[in-house]
Amino acid sequence: QLQLQESGPGLVKPSETLSLTCTVSGGSISSSSYYWGWIRQPPGKGLEWIGSIYYSGSTYYNPSLKSRVTISVDTSKNQFSLKLSSVTAADTAVYYCARQIQYYDYIWGSYPPGGIDYWGQGTLVTVSS
Amino acid sequence: SYVLTQPPSVSVAPGKTARITCGGNNIGSKSVHWYQQKPGQAPVLVIYYDSDRPSGIPERFSGSNSGNTATLTISRVEAGDEADYYCQVWDSSSDHRGVFGGGTKLTVL
Repeated sequence: QLQLQESGPGLVKPSETLSLTCTVSGGSISSSSYYWGWIRQPPGKGLEWIGSIYYSGSTYYNPSLKSRVTISVDTSKNQFSLKLSSVTAADTAVYYCARQIQYYDYIWGSYPPGGIDYWGQGTLVTVSS
Repeated sequence: SYVLTQPPSVSVAPGKTARITCGGNNIGSKSVHWYQQKPGQAPVLVIYYDSDRPSGIPERFSGSNSGNTATLTISRVEAGDEADYYCQVWDSSSDHRGVFGGGTKLTVL
């Protein structure tokens, strides 16, 4: 059974960089069938996609966060990571790591990330001084 | 940027059918995925690729997608179905991004 586990500080100061790591167990992060993504959810609000990465290192980022986000992958450790710079209180949220199924988009002839079939339990990150 | 619109809330009596809509420009040309999220828990995939059900999801859950509206249908609703439901697509048309709807709170009366 695949499991994903987020780890990292639960409290980050304003203007600093939020750093989280997702450790994947029970399966290989190097599978060609999946992307690995980060999603967040502010308290009491909806889900927001942050970005996704393929095992090769190819990334997609939410345009609204792109200037502050870096997602990387370490296949030797079966981990992928999120860095979000210059955080503010608006970045306070539960952060989820997840596995996204790669699919064929026949209209565009591409293989983007699709549905999310496995989620981590989520970790609350609070931005506060 | 691509926007998905869901009703904030839907109410249904036990045993009846609940329909939760997800509106988007020509959403019928995209693959739609649906998630169920209960309080304090991570979301769970209940429908993917418009109408496929992951293993372990009851047949009471079904999906459809056409034109500008995708629909999640829950038949014979049970108290345990009370949750927030989110639709999601991948938008390849401009920004190449994942997009979630705002979520719908399903209340079982």
